[in-house]
Amino acid sequence: ETGVTQSPTHLIKTRGQQVTLRCSSQSGHNTVSWYQQALGQGPQFIFQYYREEENGRGNFPPRFSGLQFPNYSSELNVNALELDDSALYLCASSLQVSGTDTQYFGPGTRLTVL
Amino acid sequence: DQQVKQNSPSLSVQEGRISILNCDYTNSMFDYFLWYKKYPAEGPTFLISISSIKDKNEDGRFTVFLNKSAKHLSLHIVPSQPGDSAVYFCAASGRDSWGKLQFGAGTQVVVTP
Repeated sequence: ETGVTQSPTHLIKTRGQQVTLRCSSQSGHNTVSWYQQALGQGPQFIFQYYREEENGRGNFPPRFSGLQFPNYSSELNVNALELDDSALYLCASSLQVSGTDTQYFGPGTRLTVL
Repeated sequence: DQQVKQNSPSLSVQEGRISILNCDYTNSMFDYFLWYKKYPAEGPTFLISISSIKDKNEDGRFTVFLNKSAKHLSLHIVPSQPGDSAVYFCAASGRDSWGKLQFGAGTQVVVTP
């Protein structure tokens, strides 16, 4: 069974640029959630995708957008990067969308905005 | 607003002793709680969970206790081992936010020989 994978591992961008992060969900999982973890804090929910539709969003501006593909992999896109977007971006997959399905996390993408 | 709080940023414990990590929450709609462990440069790893219909769940060396009236849960690790040194996150989700996990800020555990 393949776990959650993310690419790239690290990324350096400059303010104002755009970035795309990628995630492959665990085999059999159809739900993907994205989280942002700033230094010294817990992960913050960005949004969730279920069967290619956005299924809930946290307190993040519209320049954070996403996609889920038919194979349940997902992308997180961030436009007009700001310095405060520097963080670890985590993707998590779960078997289905419900309140009691455990989310399994990938290793994350470390984004640095200069 | 921080709905899940871990008020101890760090904990040091001797190998073989018990580690007790605490977590408080404010949202009465939370009904599912999880603990994750995170090593540097890795994503959080699921440890154990508990539903609000239970007050205790045990898995090997890990036990989670839930006190709904106090809106408090704790994770007990017995006995603590050097490999347990990591950051531990408490997370919660609820009927009003299915699939949206709210995390605490984490507790850094150091297990000393």
